Amino acid sequence: DAGVIQSPRHEVTEMGQEVTLRCKPISGHDYLFWYRQTMMRGLELLIYFNNNVPIDDSGMPEDRFSAKMPNASFSTLKIQPSEPRDSAVYFCASSTTMAGEAFFGQGTRLTVV
Amino acid sequence: RKEVEQDPGPFNVPEGATVAFNCTYSNSASQSFFWYRQDCRKEPKLLMSVYSSGNEDGRFTAQLNRASQYISLLIRDSKLSDSATYLCVPRSGYSTLTFGKGTMLLVSP
Repeated sequence: DAGVIQSPRHEVTEMGQEVTLRCKPISGHDYLFWYRQTMMRGLELLIYFNNNVPIDDSGMPEDRFSAKMPNASFSTLKIQPSEPRDSAVYFCASSTTMAGEAFFGQGTRLTVV
Repeated sequence: RKEVEQDPGPFNVPEGATVAFNCTYSNSASQSFFWYRQDCRKEPKLLMSVYSSGNEDGRFTAQLNRASQYISLLIRDSKLSDSATYLCVPRSGYSTLTFGKGTMLLVSP
């Protein structure tokens, strides 16, 4: 398996634009997690899915953020409109259980100018 | 008290040295732990899992002190390639993983 695949690897966008981050989890993993990492706050869980269903989105900072998982092999995280404070590395991870080993994608480095 | 606390470092050590860093956790229900390793500008990857009182894997030893609610990671005979950030992750069967901010280790020649 190729592991968790994220795209794009880097994204630079202007404030106010819509940003869509994509993730393909490892096949057979029932859990998918979206994390955001910054120097100040470390790795923060934004939302997670179980069997394509969003379970807990309490980490989503505000309504500008939304996430979907239309099928077992694809998820998106959308920010609309984007703001400079959204600049961070966004990781997608998948796992076979809620508290099991999480396998991370390479991340998307987002810069909002 | 924060859920997971780690000294951010950096810990600067020469090659061959032994280094240890601690992680304190607040949830007494944490049943086991992960140590993840994150290289600069890379994703976190699992280094080791820790159950019961501890675990040992080659040069790496993790020890758990449940009474004081901390877990330590000891690295013997440090290599240049050990330079990374080490993330502590308490596990509970009832919640998702909560990552510490990590401890940065820099091993110099």
